[in-house]
Amino acid sequence: SQQGEEDPQALSIQEGENATMNCSYKTSINNLQWYRQNSGRGLVHLILIRSNEREKHSGRLRVTLDTSKKSSSLLITASRAADTASYFCATGSGATNKLIFGTGTLLAVQP
Amino acid sequence: SAVISQKPSRDICQRGTSLTIQCQVDSQVTMMFWYRQQPGQSLTLIATANQGSEATYESGFVIDKFPISRPNLTFSTLTVSNMSPEDSSIYLCSVSGNVFAGPDTQYFGPGTRLTVL
Repeated sequence: SQQGEEDPQALSIQEGENATMNCSYKTSINNLQWYRQNSGRGLVHLILIRSNEREKHSGRLRVTLDTSKKSSSLLITASRAADTASYFCATGSGATNKLIFGTGTLLAVQP
Repeated sequence: SAVISQKPSRDICQRGTSLTIQCQVDSQVTMMFWYRQQPGQSLTLIATANQGSEATYESGFVIDKFPISRPNLTFSTLTVSNMSPEDSSIYLCSVSGNVFAGPDTQYFGPGTRLTVL
């Protein structure tokens, strides 16, 4: 399968704690994008990191990318109950930058 | 970001019938894609919708089963043909190349939840 792998598959934490999700992929990429999905609804774009970038921040989100290890991580700091959702990484490649999605991490933040 | 709408938002269909899903964007975009998300699974790319020409399908997906149209830079349709219960999924369109975002950021529509009986 070309699909990337994410771990953990599920993560349960308390409000205020940090959540870290990891993504591994197999091919060379143009960029890597992270998405959030609430209860099978549409995907919300969180952040894009290019293949020549190593770290990127957006609010409470911190994304790292290690192209030598073909891996990325998403850190959510000071989590809130509203962060409860599924999180997906997706690698963009080729001339059209079509996306290949990871398997996803289900995050539950307990109030 | 682009505002993307899909119609219908959900439908329940009988096996053997076909359903056409519409995707409308509020601004011109370079690329439009169609994805499928089977129950409890991640997203899989079905095809890239090319404006004015035939769509480019991924391995495992064929035009006879999933015909796609893209008549202009803001609209595309995906038809799920001769449906079976295995086609029950969420179908999502996505776009990139919007003037408000970089060329690679890909935004998704709200999805169409299809149930085939």
